[in-house]
Amino acid sequence: DAKTTQPNSMESNEEEPVHLPCNHSTISGTDYIHWYRQLPSQGPEYVIHGLTSNVNNRMASLAIAEDRKSSTLILHRATLRDAAVYYCIPGQGGSEKLVFGKGTKLTVNP
Amino acid sequence: GAVVSQHPSWVICKSGTSVKIECRSLDFQATTMFWYRQFPKQSLMLMATSNEGSKATYEQGVEKDKFLINHASLTLSTLTVTSAHPEDSSFYICSAKVLSYTFGSGTRLTVV
Repeated sequence: DAKTTQPNSMESNEEEPVHLPCNHSTISGTDYIHWYRQLPSQGPEYVIHGLTSNVNNRMASLAIAEDRKSSTLILHRATLRDAAVYYCIPGQGGSEKLVFGKGTKLTVNP
Repeated sequence: GAVVSQHPSWVICKSGTSVKIECRSLDFQATTMFWYRQFPKQSLMLMATSNEGSKATYEQGVEKDKFLINHASLTLSTLTVTSAHPEDSSFYICSAKVLSYTFGSGTRLTVV
């Protein structure tokens, strides 16, 4: 399984941008990079995914390094509702399985 | 968007009894569903892949006779925890893939 490295925790202030990094140096060339987040006592929620190009949606932006060994999830203006554990998940060689790492716990201060 | 409904949201059972958790895809068909377990302050651990009309595929170290998975229709997968013990107390989550993966809201199982 492709491995990921994420900071255990990060802190941000409300309405400021947040950059959540992820290293996935063992990802294969055709596997997507997925980001999910989990609020306490809830199932994970889709945030964004991408392959090579940077991606934007209404929740976040995903910046993917040119060598694809790392990516950064960008929340442009953090809100209190963005406080969650954020998981960066590389695809698994064509398998449909999503294998979760430890994630980054994001705290947003008012 | 795609919705996965999980039931019950929480359950308390006595040690030695069995508990069934249901996972339904509400507005789409899912030939494959996934079951996860999450202990407090830990990440999700994939337990098994549920395949409609065939046997589930279990991850290494997961006892298939203890965690029975049935995927009898394209909209329903069930996980039965048999002869539950306190160490089986956990948060169980199912998911299915449409364009992206959609997760149920989870079932908190407490075995007393």
